Amino acid sequence: EAQVTQNPRYLITVTGKKLTVTCSQNMNHEYMSWYRQDPGLGLRQIYYSMNVEVTDKGDVPEGYKVSRKEKRNFPLILESPSPNQTSLYFCASSLGSPEETQYFGPGTRLLVL
Amino acid sequence: GQQLNQSPQSMFIQEGEDVSMNCTSSSIFNTWLWYKQDPGEGPVLLIALYKAGELTSNGRLTAQFGITRKDSFLNISASIPSDVGIYFCARIAGNMLTFGGGTRLMVKP
Repeated sequence: EAQVTQNPRYLITVTGKKLTVTCSQNMNHEYMSWYRQDPGLGLRQIYYSMNVEVTDKGDVPEGYKVSRKEKRNFPLILESPSPNQTSLYFCASSLGSPEETQYFGPGTRLLVL
Repeated sequence: GQQLNQSPQSMFIQEGEDVSMNCTSSSIFNTWLWYKQDPGEGPVLLIALYKAGELTSNGRLTAQFGITRKDSFLNISASIPSDVGIYFCARIAGNMLTFGGGTRLMVKP
């Protein structure tokens, strides 16, 4: 089944404790991206990647890192999480560009205490 | 990044009613997208618009790309309970995707 998977789905952590949220797609998509969703603000793009080893900042990249060593995986890294990073995170992928249909993962709900 | 103003923020309607929502921007764009997010899930693309004035339908959904290229409208006819969710407009600038704040739709059976 074609899908985008994220792990974990739920995470509670404490300020400053490094964490990684994994994202994987099995559709051979080139474009992958991360978003955070907060009430009233919609989805805001954190980082995106046009292809392997090519990553760029989105609208809200501060406090986040990403890597794209393989086409299928696009992990989101929070080196030192803070409470303002408590949010619902979505990974998405599309075939070649953001104009094409974005397929979203199920979301990761993060709480930073 | 550029902001997209989406309205209304929420709607509570009776089943069978028609729904209209819109999205505006201060800048001109070449592509408008409409996504729907069901409760507890990620957004799913409903309609994509690529030309000013374009009117596109997807079942009971109809979306239009405004002539000024600064706005877009989404209409839902004869709403049903499964229309419940959050509707997002989105635009593309370069390789980035920006979403509006969303319209939360609630349908009373």
